Amino acid sequence: DTEVTQTPKHLVMGMTNKKSLKCEQHMGHRAMYWYKQKAKKPPELMFVYSYEKLSINESVPSRFSPECPNSSLLNLHLHALQPEDSALYLCASSQGTGKSPLHFGNGTRLTVT
Amino acid sequence: GDSVTQMEGPVTLSEEAFLTINCTYTATGYPSLFWYVQYPGEGLQLLLKATKADDKGSNKGFEATYRKETTSFHLEKGSVQVSDSAVYFCALSVTNFGNEKLTFGTGTRLTIIP
Repeated sequence: DTEVTQTPKHLVMGMTNKKSLKCEQHMGHRAMYWYKQKAKKPPELMFVYSYEKLSINESVPSRFSPECPNSSLLNLHLHALQPEDSALYLCASSQGTGKSPLHFGNGTRLTVT
Repeated sequence: GDSVTQMEGPVTLSEEAFLTINCTYTATGYPSLFWYVQYPGEGLQLLLKATKADDKGSNKGFEATYRKETTSFHLEKGSVQVSDSAVYFCALSVTNFGNEKLTFGTGTRLTIIP
């Protein structure tokens, strides 16, 4: 069982919809991440939060908006997405020491129609 | 920049065969190295890690040694099982101004046939 919980598992949305992905961890980790993974590709980093502050934005389009309400929760707000944004979105957390591994959730499979 | 080069797949082996998946890296500073495994329909799971040169990570019969002189972190297992079928990612982590970034290789799909 994963210690990082993501909801929903699957999401289908139209290009005009607004939706949110949610992620929760209770391991006391100080860093949380959003990754995007296309089929048969490695995960690509989108955002990093450290101590609830956005520390890395990998030039992600503004139609993706992250939010970290507290140290256990991480959201990704979606608006006006394109079909090419369809992918597996993975949340992860870590102690943030540079030597600590990331713990991944099982992801949200997003389809944009 | 930092990068990871991983053995191209897919790799198909018979059960109980010996497995090697090659991984080499380029990094500034002193990275930590990881192997992650992804089963169908799931997220990534940490398989093993090594944080400094000559460290050996091991888990579930898998091993990898951090070789600074050859900048390598090859994954090995002596006798694979059908349940080992998955995609394996080599990755490195470097801390930059207090932020850590995980850089992945392209992944190697492994299929074990009975």
